[in-house]
Amino acid sequence: DAGVIQSPRHEVTEMGQEVTLRCKPISGHNSLFWYRQTMMRGLELLIYFNNNVPIDDSGMPEDRFSAKMPNASFSTLKIQPSEPRDSAVYFCASSLPLTGIEGNEQFFGPGTRLTVL
Amino acid sequence: GENVEQHPSTLSVQEGDSAVIKCTYSDSASNYFPWYKQELGKRPQLIIDIRSNVGEKKDQRIAVTLNKTAKHFSLHITETQPEDSAVYFCESYQDSSYKLIFGSGTRLLVRP
Repeated sequence: DAGVIQSPRHEVTEMGQEVTLRCKPISGHNSLFWYRQTMMRGLELLIYFNNNVPIDDSGMPEDRFSAKMPNASFSTLKIQPSEPRDSAVYFCASSLPLTGIEGNEQFFGPGTRLTVL
Repeated sequence: GENVEQHPSTLSVQEGDSAVIKCTYSDSASNYFPWYKQELGKRPQLIIDIRSNVGEKKDQRIAVTLNKTAKHFSLHITETQPEDSAVYFCESYQDSSYKLIFGSGTRLLVRP
């Protein structure tokens, strides 16, 4: 397996533009996570899905952010409109299904470095 | 709300010495505690994890201990090497709310 795939790897855009980040999880992994990482705030969980259903989106900063998982092999994180403070590295990760008893290792993608001018 | 506190935020040790990083969690229902290592410019990767039914786990120079009563878990790295230099994150999985929380990270520098 190629691991978690993210695209684009780098994105530079202007304030006010729409940004769409994409993620393909590892085949067979039913849980998918979106993280944001900055020097100031560290690694923040934005949202995660279990079997394509959002389980916890409490980390989504505001209405400008939205995430979808239309099927088991694809997810998007959209920012509309983008602002300079959204500049960060966005990681997608996937894991085997989270259960009520045990967690599982998360495999991270290479990340998307977003710069909003 | 639920949180995970990680200390110290930075740690500098001499090569060959030991390093210890500690995390404290708030939800007693938490039952899975992984540690991730992130090298500069790279993605976080799991290095060791522990589940709530175990008190200690070792993997060569790395060990993790869990104290459920005090609600803290620690990462121990012995005989540190320069390639251990990285940012280390702890994480707590909270069963009651299916909530995953990362600690704020510890930047470890191993001086040759």
